[in-house]
Amino acid sequence: KQEVTQIPAALSVPEGENLVLNCSFTDSAIYNLQWFRQDPGKGLTSLLLIQSSQREQTSGRLNASLDKSSGRSTLYIAASQPGDSATYLCAVGDSGTYKYIFGTGTRLKVLA
Amino acid sequence: KAGVTQTPRYLIKTRGQQVTLSCSPISGHRSVSWYQQTPGQGLQFLFEYFSETQRNKGNFPGRFSGRQFSNSRSEMNVSTLELGDSALYLCASSPSLGESTTFFGQGTRLTVV
Repeated sequence: KQEVTQIPAALSVPEGENLVLNCSFTDSAIYNLQWFRQDPGKGLTSLLLIQSSQREQTSGRLNASLDKSSGRSTLYIAASQPGDSATYLCAVGDSGTYKYIFGTGTRLKVLA
Repeated sequence: KAGVTQTPRYLIKTRGQQVTLSCSPISGHRSVSWYQQTPGQGLQFLFEYFSETQRNKGNFPGRFSGRQFSNSRSEMNVSTLELGDSALYLCASSPSLGESTTFFGQGTRLTVV
């Protein structure tokens, strides 16, 4: 059974810092991996999608990497801003059913 | 292009009642998935529909059911509500089954009292 873990559970950093969020999963037979952002009381916004055959994806200040063999993904946020404050969720696409299995998230707070 | 629309946004129900939530996917998307989000369990997959057929189902009791209409709109129903059913219910749409590009709605916040 696939399990997805995110570390740390919460993170507070000063504005301008570069930071790394971690995601680990137990079964490497994945379809893809997606990083989402969730603001309080809101739905999910997709940030980056990495297919199982890819190693990384970049969008603006965000970079996500995937190492299937070790069951790890990282989300790198450069030059963090207060507007980046949100919960970041990692979701692994199951290769058999395509359903997403989510981590418990990292709650990020960027201080001005 | 309109996003995924979920109605209602907020709902308060009493234990034992039943509730129906609605989801309109992005135009042209044929796959709709439902997820439950609670503080204790996080986000958990409920079910996925494609072409009016349930294709995948999560580990939830039979009180949770859903359906999809010919226009791809989907509804989920929870019968005999329990306090533990209080959660944010999220709907996600994608162009096709197993399609990577997944878009989520804002969710329906259900409170059971």
